Amino acid sequence: QLQLQESGPGLVKPSDTLSLNCTVSDGSISSNSLYWAWIRQSPGKGLEWIGSLYYSGSTYYNPSLESRVTISGDMSKRQISLRLTSVTATDTAVYFCARQRTTSWFDAFDIWGQGTMVTVSS
Amino acid sequence: DIQMTQSPSTLSASVGDRVTITCRASQSVSRWVAWYQQKPGKAPKLLIYKASSLESGVPSRFSGSGSGTEFTLTISSLQPDDFATYYCQQYNSYRTFGQGTKVEIK
Repeated sequence: QLQLQESGPGLVKPSDTLSLNCTVSDGSISSNSLYWAWIRQSPGKGLEWIGSLYYSGSTYYNPSLESRVTISGDMSKRQISLRLTSVTATDTAVYFCARQRTTSWFDAFDIWGQGTMVTVSS
Repeated sequence: DIQMTQSPSTLSASVGDRVTITCRASQSVSRWVAWYQQKPGKAPKLLIYKASSLESGVPSRFSGSGSGTEFTLTISSLQPDDFATYYCQQYNSYRTFGQGTKVEIK
């Protein structure tokens, strides 16, 4: 069974850049025409889609975060990375990576990582 | 962007009850709606996709219906393991989630 594992600092200072990685257990991020996503969950805003990466390298971002977000893939490391710049306290959340269930853009997220808590504080 | 509004926010029910949760989209999302179950400290778990398709391994007491802007998730006979928070999600235009419905023990 495919597994996703998020990793990265649990504490980030305001105005700094948040960087997280998601390791895909079977290394399938460069194959099978799949989409991979970052999603976050905070008490104030609930679940929020941050953006998605297609296996080809194309990216799609939430318009509300687009100016601060970069999602990329490193095939050699079997990782999907998230960078969020100029963070504030409102970026405090649990960050999840997830896989879409098929190769279609129109599909749900069937596999999720366990999530990693990130707190923005000085 | 498309807003997804769930009701109720909290639902108190007993084991064996039939439970229905509603999700309304701010504009048509065709049938591109999923439902997830989330328990404290865990990631969401996919239950239903494409409005009414049951994800593999999910018990048949869960069902979904709807199209356009109105969607429902029904649990036909609530089991102890079903006390959790449920979210709808649209994937017609980008992705947005509802605010959640907590199903608690009555």
